[in-house]
Amino acid sequence: KQEVTQIPAALSVPEGENLVLNCSFTDSAIYNLQWFRQDPGKGLTSLLLIQSSQREQTSGRLNASLDKSSGRSTLYIAASQPGDSATYLCAVSLVRDDKIIFGKGTRLHILP
Amino acid sequence: NAGVTQTPKFQVLKTGQSMTLQCAQDMNHNSMYWYRQDPGMGLRLIYYSASEGTTDKGEVPNGYNVSRLNKREFSLRLESAAPSQTSVYFCASSEKGDLPFSNTEAFFGQGTRLTVV
Repeated sequence: KQEVTQIPAALSVPEGENLVLNCSFTDSAIYNLQWFRQDPGKGLTSLLLIQSSQREQTSGRLNASLDKSSGRSTLYIAASQPGDSATYLCAVSLVRDDKIIFGKGTRLHILP
Repeated sequence: NAGVTQTPKFQVLKTGQSMTLQCAQDMNHNSMYWYRQDPGMGLRLIYYSASEGTTDKGEVPNGYNVSRLNKREFSLRLESAAPSQTSVYFCASSEKGDLPFSNTEAFFGQGTRLTVV
């Protein structure tokens, strides 16, 4: 059974700092890994998608990496801003049965 | 381009009532999913459909039924609602390519906030 773990569960950092969110998964047979952002009471916003054949993807101040062999992904946020405060979720798409499995998320608070 | 559309956005049910949550996508995706989200639990997969005419259980299927009406539509039914089914429900769709080629990201609806009293 695929398990997706996100550490830490919550994180508070001062504005301007660079930070890393972690995601680990137990089954390396994945199509892709996707990072989402969710604001309180809102839906999911897709941030980055990394295909299984890729090592990283970048969008603006965000960089996501994927190491399939070790079952890990990181989301790097550069020069954090108060507007980055949200919950960040990672999800893996499985080869064997078409499921998409989520971690429980990291709740990020950027202190002004 | 509407993407994934869910209806209704909000619903209050009494214990024992039934209802159907509707989901439609306009991206010609084969795969569709239903999730529930509870505080601190992330998104948990209820049911999914890898293609038109097929459905499979996810992590938390008890108390729910689904129908893949056609390629566009995937509905979730609560036959006899219980307070434990109070949650936010999300529908999603995606498409799988043939390995080693790329496949698409998952797209999500805006959610249905369901309260069972």
